[in-house]
Amino acid sequence: DTEVTQTPKHLVMGMTNKKSLKCEQHMGHRAMYWYKQKAKKPPELMFVYSYEKLSINESVPSRFSPECPNSSLLNLHLHALQPEDSALYLCASSQRTEAFFGQGTRLTVV
Amino acid sequence: QKEVEQNSGPLSVPEGAIASLNCTYSDRGSQSFFWYRQYSGKSPELIMFIYSNGDKEDGRFTAQLNKASQYVSLLIRDSQPSDSATYLCAVTGFQKLVFGTGTRLLVSP
Repeated sequence: DTEVTQTPKHLVMGMTNKKSLKCEQHMGHRAMYWYKQKAKKPPELMFVYSYEKLSINESVPSRFSPECPNSSLLNLHLHALQPEDSALYLCASSQRTEAFFGQGTRLTVV
Repeated sequence: QKEVEQNSGPLSVPEGAIASLNCTYSDRGSQSFFWYRQYSGKSPELIMFIYSNGDKEDGRFTAQLNKASQYVSLLIRDSQPSDSATYLCAVTGFQKLVFGTGTRLLVSP
């Protein structure tokens, strides 16, 4: 089982809204990731959690706030986003090196 | 110099042919190498990984790694129209997976 589940699949939010993206995996993977992907570009790393602790923040603006409540869950809290933040947000998890991606959340900021 | 480089394509091959996708990387300390397939509007799907120099085969896919040349490739035998997608090469750095820009493959019937 290599399933990573992301919700919601699609999200439209206004620039003053607060919303959260959720990610869940039950493979016992120790690391979880958030990536952002714009059209025709590769995924860009945002955050890495290792053993539930934030280990990498790739200089992401503070309007994106990650949270790892437990080893199976990863959230991304969104506040005061800009239209240019519209993208596919991907969650991934890994035990060693190979990362498995969820289906992504297609976010549109209006 | 980009960390992971791929030709963006498109690479066009006829059905049944061998598609050859190439990737170079700059960090000599990289240990793990991956190929992901991504259909338009979907998330990346891991199709191959390789850690050691040489070839690794899985069905119609063969990954090849040459650490001395900092080169990794993916061969797809008997290409099918359903193989048409963007293929992302990825290399591990410190706790990070670094992606190339991807090569778009088009397999024509």
